[in-house]
Amino acid sequence: AQTVTQSQPEMSVQEAETVTLSCTYDTSENNYYLFWYKQPPSRQMILVIRQEAYKQQNATENRFSVNFQKAAKSFSLKISDSQLGDTAMYFCAFMNRDTDKLIFGTGTRLQV
Amino acid sequence: DTGVSQDPRHKITKRGQNVTFRCDPISEHNRLYWYRQTLGQGPEFLTYFQNEAQLEKSRLLSDRFSAERPKGSFSTLEIQRTEQGDSAMYLCASSGTRNTEAFFGQGTRLTVV
Repeated sequence: AQTVTQSQPEMSVQEAETVTLSCTYDTSENNYYLFWYKQPPSRQMILVIRQEAYKQQNATENRFSVNFQKAAKSFSLKISDSQLGDTAMYFCAFMNRDTDKLIFGTGTRLQV
Repeated sequence: DTGVSQDPRHKITKRGQNVTFRCDPISEHNRLYWYRQTLGQGPEFLTYFQNEAQLEKSRLLSDRFSAERPKGSFSTLEIQRTEQGDSAMYLCASSGTRNTEAFFGQGTRLTVV
């Protein structure tokens, strides 16, 4: 069974600074997707960034980038130039390409 | 608003009562997912549909839970004989094709008293 671990329950960062959120996962699969989702207080979950496991190049979306280390099963999220609107719960999630269901970590609460 | 919508947003019910939640996915999406999120935890997968077919059910989905998607459009999640442990946020998500982004609704928060 796949598992996703986020070891940082809470993080804080000053505006305009950079923060990195950690995520590790465990799977025996070779084809999968990894995601970071953002859940602002009392608002719906939205996708921040996705990474396909077969791609070696790290995904980037504007101020958001990932450090994907497939051998180490690590998938961290870097937020550059942090903004007040980045305050939210951040969830790391794994998806097996055969099942399509998302397996989430316990989340990291980020306060900017 | 063309996003995923869920109704009601909040539900308070007495233990033992039945409740039903509705999810309207994005109109062209053929996949629909239900997740449950308890306080301080990430969402946990419950079940998903491709069109009207229910393809997978989690072991978390006890016999008191049933989900339907009769015409491949909206879906309902019913919980019979609610228990206090059912108190949670129930999230619905939809996606268009395999392995693409899942769009989430705002959830239905259930409180069983």
